[in-house]
Amino acid sequence: QQQVKQSPQSLIVQKGGIPIINCAYENTAFDYFPWYQQFPGKGPALLIAIRPDVSEKKEGRFTISFNKSAKQFSLHIMDSQPGDSATYFCAAAGNTGKLIFGQGTTLQVKP
Amino acid sequence: DSGVTQTPKHLITATGQRVTLRCSPRSGDLSVYWYQQSLDQGLQFLIQYYNGEERAKGNILERFSAQQFPDLHSELNLSSLELGDSALYFCASSVSGAGTFEQYFGPGTRLTVT
Repeated sequence: QQQVKQSPQSLIVQKGGIPIINCAYENTAFDYFPWYQQFPGKGPALLIAIRPDVSEKKEGRFTISFNKSAKQFSLHIMDSQPGDSATYFCAAAGNTGKLIFGQGTTLQVKP
Repeated sequence: DSGVTQTPKHLITATGQRVTLRCSPRSGDLSVYWYQQSLDQGLQFLIQYYNGEERAKGNILERFSAQQFPDLHSELNLSSLELGDSALYFCASSVSGAGTFEQYFGPGTRLTVT
């Protein structure tokens, strides 16, 4: 029940495409859902986060869609660029603040 | 740059040894979290401290311990090291230990046990 399942494991898109990464959770006590971007050799960097009282949040080219009834959320990257090539992690947390991470998605954006 | 600092960047040591990883949180943040990242286990929460007190514990081995000092920096101590402890160790900090607040990660310490 503590798991967060993330898919796909890897993704290749052309520049300008819209990669979509999906996550699903079981624990209804989770109420904070961040996405992190990680480049090789670096720490995860917070991209965008959502709470379950909204169904969508946009920050620049990044959008989170949240479906509370289905217990699913997804990250969309608009107009993807080669510089977006990285590993993306979804996560979930409840009131302890402990982040439970998905397994990660390696994104490659081809020029 | 997240504002979270970790030292050392790399650490190579032998099985059975003990090491200490250090983390300084962002200015103003009271909470520190430690995570382990490995290829097979992904990113796993180890332990959280808030203003010097242990707040939450995750999949942390008994050979591992942590503390947070009055100046809010934190140390993760790993002892009786095994090959399987080789991983990236990250700390993150947030302004509060309660509820769900943004966590900012440091650059990590890569531990190699030979």
